[in-house]
Amino acid sequence: ETGVTQTPRHLVMGMTNKKSLKCEQHLGHNAMYWYKQSAKKPLELMFVYNFKEQTENNSVPSRFSPECPNSSHLFLHLHTLQPEDSALYLCASSPRGEGQETQYFGPGTRLLVL
Amino acid sequence: GQNIDQPTEMTATEGAIVQINCTYQTSGFNGLFWYQQHAGEAPTFLSYNVLDGLEEKGRFSSFLSRSKGYSYLLLKELQMKDSASYLCAVTDSNYQLIWGAGTKLIIKP
Repeated sequence: ETGVTQTPRHLVMGMTNKKSLKCEQHLGHNAMYWYKQSAKKPLELMFVYNFKEQTENNSVPSRFSPECPNSSHLFLHLHTLQPEDSALYLCASSPRGEGQETQYFGPGTRLLVL
Repeated sequence: GQNIDQPTEMTATEGAIVQINCTYQTSGFNGLFWYQQHAGEAPTFLSYNVLDGLEEKGRFSSFLSRSKGYSYLLLKELQMKDSASYLCAVTDSNYQLIWGAGTKLIIKP
């Protein structure tokens, strides 16, 4: 049990749909992350929030829109996705958003775009 | 560019020892992580090395050589539950975390 929860665990959506992924951490951390994990590829960092402020956006297409209303919650809003966006989307948190900290991951949302 | 290399897949026998290697080329170095990820589950922290040498933690040990840009994860007395992917990640000079693609470890009875 990691203290980071994600919903939904699985999601199938068409290219014209709009959906949102939710992440919640119960660890009292100040930094939260969205990653994309595709088969046999390294984790791709998408967004970083530190104290609710976005500190990193790794050239992610605008069809992915993050939202961080507070330090415990993180959303990823999805619209007009492409089939190549199908992947496991992982949320993580860490105490202060520093690179040498351990990150605590949620179980991920397995996304399939048809 | 920055790069982390680790084998894609390895197979080992229950009760045996296996060594998973990781080599890295990054702009600076501020630590190396190993994470374990069971299929369909969250990656979980295993170890962190910032100085050269071997860090032992029960059945798992992690080694680092900064001069060679090299680390390994050593798993002893393998159990079936050790079947998982093992992710190597390096913190670079900008304190950005660079991830490897992971090594899928298959344990056979």
